[in-house]
Amino acid sequence: EVQLVESGGGLVKPGGSLRLSCAASGFTFSSYSMNWVRQAPGKGLEWVSSISSSSSYIYYADSVKGRFTISRDNAKNSLYLQMNSLRAEDTAVYYCARAGGEDWGQGTLVTVSS
Amino acid sequence: SYELTQPSSVSVSPGQTARITCSGDVLAKKYARWFQQKPGQAPVLVIYKDSERPSGIPERFSGSSSGTTVTLTISGAQVEDEADYYCYSAADNNLERVFGGGTKLTVL
Repeated sequence: EVQLVESGGGLVKPGGSLRLSCAASGFTFSSYSMNWVRQAPGKGLEWVSSISSSSSYIYYADSVKGRFTISRDNAKNSLYLQMNSLRAEDTAVYYCARAGGEDWGQGTLVTVSS
Repeated sequence: SYELTQPSSVSVSPGQTARITCSGDVLAKKYARWFQQKPGQAPVLVIYKDSERPSGIPERFSGSSSGTTVTLTISGAQVEDEADYYCYSAADNNLERVFGGGTKLTVL
């Protein structure tokens, strides 16, 4: 059974940093591109970032470019999102997902507030 | 950047056919996916490559494409199909991905 489990969310002040993690199991993690997708409270889905299977290709939404960094450790079956210079508008549930959208985690809530 | 445009809401009675459209120039060149999201749950893929249905998705869900518009059709919509539906695609240059704004489907 495929499992994606996010962690690392929480309350952070504007300008602060957080590192999200996503632990993958049940599939060959190193063979798949992965995405981070977020959803602000009461709003729609927003693609945040993608990383290819070997980390050769990395893409970001304009809204997070220069502040967020996606990475992965295929040996640990893990995906990461380093979030710096956080803003109130980054408040959202953050999901990790296989790039094809076949599998999603349950999400982790990030709240940016003073 | 680019956009995918969906109606904000669609309403049908149980047993009727629901159609949700998604429009964007990139859809003439790139495949679309459709996701269903129920309150408090993660999204679920219901259509990929414009019209392919993943295993486990009921046959009443289908997708089609014409020019710059893709359409999700739910034939004989059921109460349990009530959810938010999002289209999703890659940009022409493959450097971005984008979701449509979402459509709230009401079945009652």
